[in-house]
Amino acid sequence: GENVEQHPSTLSVQEGDSAVIKCTYSDSASNYFPWYKQELGKRPQLIIDIRSNVGEKKDQRIAVTLNKTAKHFSLHITETQPEDSAVYFCAASPGNQFYFGTGTSLTVIP
Amino acid sequence: KAGVTQTPRYLIKTRGQQVTLSCSPISGHRSVSWYQQTPGQGLQFLFEYFSETQRNKGNFPGRFSGRQFSNSRSEMNVSTLELGDSALYLCASSPDRGPYEQFFGPGTRLTVL
Repeated sequence: GENVEQHPSTLSVQEGDSAVIKCTYSDSASNYFPWYKQELGKRPQLIIDIRSNVGEKKDQRIAVTLNKTAKHFSLHITETQPEDSAVYFCAASPGNQFYFGTGTSLTVIP
Repeated sequence: KAGVTQTPRYLIKTRGQQVTLSCSPISGHRSVSWYQQTPGQGLQFLFEYFSETQRNKGNFPGRFSGRQFSNSRSEMNVSTLELGDSALYLCASSPDRGPYEQFFGPGTRLTVL
């Protein structure tokens, strides 16, 4: 089955700096790669996703890049703000099943 | 549309008991997936149902089971509870055959004493 690895497990940045979280996957059949943000005590919520026919996608301060050859994808957050502090999960899906990374706890220091 | 709902929100059980958790998906969504979330382990996939059929199953023992009803509502059952079953159980729904965005419920926090 699919195996998704996520790094780093914790990340601290100064407010205004950029944050990058990286994930790798193993199954070349995976074609959908969402990123979820989970604030403390709340449910995971989708922040951005990318499909395998696209190399990059951007939504305001958030961007995701995908390298199918190397089987890795990354989340980039620019101009970080304290409200970006949360746990971020990447996932890969070859169809009906989602495989999640173990999460990155991001802390933005004011 | 109303979001995904889960009941109960909190449960405390003792070892050896069984428990049933319920998930109501967003109206019109036919796929429901269940996940176990524990600190440091992320979201571990339990199973996924579509139109009352289990399509996928994760690597959990047979004590974990589920079902889906004709209205797409889903239940999961854990029998003979163990201390290690303490976790947040999340369900997520999506509109159709994947992959599409999954919408998560608030979760059920299960504590096994």
